[in-house]
Amino acid sequence: EAQVTQNPRYLITVTGKKLTVTCSQNMNHEYMSWYRQDPGLGLRQIYYSMNVEVTDKGDVPEGYKVSRKEKRNFPLILESPSPNQTSLYFCASRPSAFEGGRGQYFGPGTRLTVT
Amino acid sequence: SQQGEEDPQALSIQEGENATMNCSYKTSINNLQWYRQNSGRGLVHLILIRSNEREKHSGRLRVTLDTSKKSSSLLITASRAADTASYFCATHHTGNQFYFGTGTSLTVIP
Repeated sequence: EAQVTQNPRYLITVTGKKLTVTCSQNMNHEYMSWYRQDPGLGLRQIYYSMNVEVTDKGDVPEGYKVSRKEKRNFPLILESPSPNQTSLYFCASRPSAFEGGRGQYFGPGTRLTVT
Repeated sequence: SQQGEEDPQALSIQEGENATMNCSYKTSINNLQWYRQNSGRGLVHLILIRSNEREKHSGRLRVTLDTSKKSSSLLITASRAADTASYFCATHHTGNQFYFGTGTSLTVIP
């Protein structure tokens, strides 16, 4: 089954404690992306990657890091989380040229709370 | 911000009626996509329309795109209770960035 998986699904942590949210896709997609969703603000893109070792900043990259060492994985790293990073995070992937008229596949989301 | 805006923010209709929601954006696009999100869950892709297309259909969904007005609309015909969800438009721009709107919350009353 084609899917994007994220772990953990729920995370409560404290300010300053480094954390990593993993994302993996099994569709051999070139493009992967991270978003955060906040009430009233919709989804905002954090980082995206066009392929292995190629990453770019989205709309709200401050306080986040990513890496793309393998095509299937695209972890999101918060090196020093702060309360304003409390949010619902989504990972997504898609084929590079929107083959088949298909948009992005989204993971189930990670709800992060930073106290 | 290049974020799109959906209109209305919330919509409540009776089962069987049609639902129309609109999306406006600010800068030129490669394509525009519509997604559905059930409460707190991942987004599901519904339909993609490219900048050189004006209308697309998929089942009960009809999407139009007017690039001169920088706007799109999503029509759901013969709505069902299961269509209750939030609907988002997303624009794809040169440089491979995506911008999502703030969403329309649709409630279909059985």
